[in-house]
Amino acid sequence: ETGVTQTPRHLVMGMTNKKSLKCEQHLGHNAMYWYKQSAKKPLELMFVYNFKEQTENNSVPSRFSPECPNSSHLFLHLHTLQPEDSALYLCASSQGVGREGRIYNEQFFGPGTRLTVL
Amino acid sequence: QQPVQSPQAVILREGEDAVINCSSSKALYSVHWYRQKHGEAPVFLMILLKGGEQKGHEKISASFNEKKQQSSLYLTASQLSYSGTYFCGTSNSGYALNFGKGTSLLVTP
Repeated sequence: ETGVTQTPRHLVMGMTNKKSLKCEQHLGHNAMYWYKQSAKKPLELMFVYNFKEQTENNSVPSRFSPECPNSSHLFLHLHTLQPEDSALYLCASSQGVGREGRIYNEQFFGPGTRLTVL
Repeated sequence: QQPVQSPQAVILREGEDAVINCSSSKALYSVHWYRQKHGEAPVFLMILLKGGEQKGHEKISASFNEKKQQSSLYLTASQLSYSGTYFCGTSNSGYALNFGKGTSLLVTP
């Protein structure tokens, strides 16, 4: 257990459905991340939140919509997805970057949500 | 910019050593190394920062050549538990990482 939980662990949805992925961290971290991991592709960074503010959006299509209500919770809202969006979606957290600058920022990953879009 | 990892795959016998390389075309602030076992989340191994600081696993070492924008992960006296896919993640901005495609490592008895 890394202190980062994700629900659901598996999700099958149709292209017209709306669903949400949830991530929760119990580590007192201030930065949270969404990654997409597809077969034979590297981990792709999707979004970064630092102290609840979105600081990175890696050219992600608008059918993916993140939400970070507080430093412990991160959501990824999904709507009108495509079959090529099927992948493992990983959430991670780290200490975050304060005004003092960059620090050690090892990321702790959750177990992921295996998403299948039919 | 995605870093390039080499080799793509390695097979070792228990006790042997291995080196995994990671290179970037851009100036780097930090390099992170993670290991992912099949069906599990990636697990942090090591961070190397520009300027020489590092933090990580006791039994795994790594180097960071800032001028060449390269990092190498050294796995010595490999154990069966070392099997998995190793990813390097690079950052030039502080904490947002770009990951390589991974190096698959299999340690056999």
